[in-house]
Amino acid sequence: GAVVSQHPSRVICKSGTSVKIECRSLDFQATTMFWYRQFPKQSLMLMATSNEGSKATYEQGVEKDKFLINHASLTLSTLTVTSAHPEDSSFYICSASSSGGNEQFFGPGTRLTVL
Amino acid sequence: GNSVTQMEGPVTLSEEAFLTINCTYTATGYPSLFWYVQYPGEGLQLLLKATKADDKGSNKGFEATYRKETTSFHLEKGSVQVSDSAVYFCALPFSGGYNKLIFGAGTRLAVHP
Repeated sequence: GAVVSQHPSRVICKSGTSVKIECRSLDFQATTMFWYRQFPKQSLMLMATSNEGSKATYEQGVEKDKFLINHASLTLSTLTVTSAHPEDSSFYICSASSSGGNEQFFGPGTRLTVL
Repeated sequence: GNSVTQMEGPVTLSEEAFLTINCTYTATGYPSLFWYVQYPGEGLQLLLKATKADDKGSNKGFEATYRKETTSFHLEKGSVQVSDSAVYFCALPFSGGYNKLIFGAGTRLAVHP
């Protein structure tokens, strides 16, 4: 099956710094990638949808200037949490789908802890 | 718009017990329906799906039938194992035909030997 990787798997940073999370599709071309965040014992909340070569579409309530998303190639999307604060601590999960595909393939997630 | 409601957990069962996790939905038309599983500390894996009414999705002993009469997609397994302990999410696409998914709240399953 299709494989999606995320890097890093865990990151701890100081308040005020920026953190970049990578999402890669390893064996298929991901025309669309999705970014979710998940708080402990809660469901996934869609943050944004990115199409390769286009600006990301953010869900209501998600600050686009805080969560910068870049999808510059068909195999890589990045999420940068700018000026991170403790309330940004969460589990961030990406998923990817190919052109015409209706199935999303999920990465293993990145746990961000902001001190 | 589309929405999904999932039974609250946690669900605690003994090994070899029967499992049912309820999921109901509201939707425009007949979208595909999904069950995802999340093992501790990991991302989501697609467990099974059904693409049209009356379809039965199945995988690893789990089954779910797409029932349009009751707008339900309940997850069942006849005999659970300790290794099935995880969080299970019911999901369907956003209305409008997009690939974006709406997830239920998730049901945590704990299976004890």
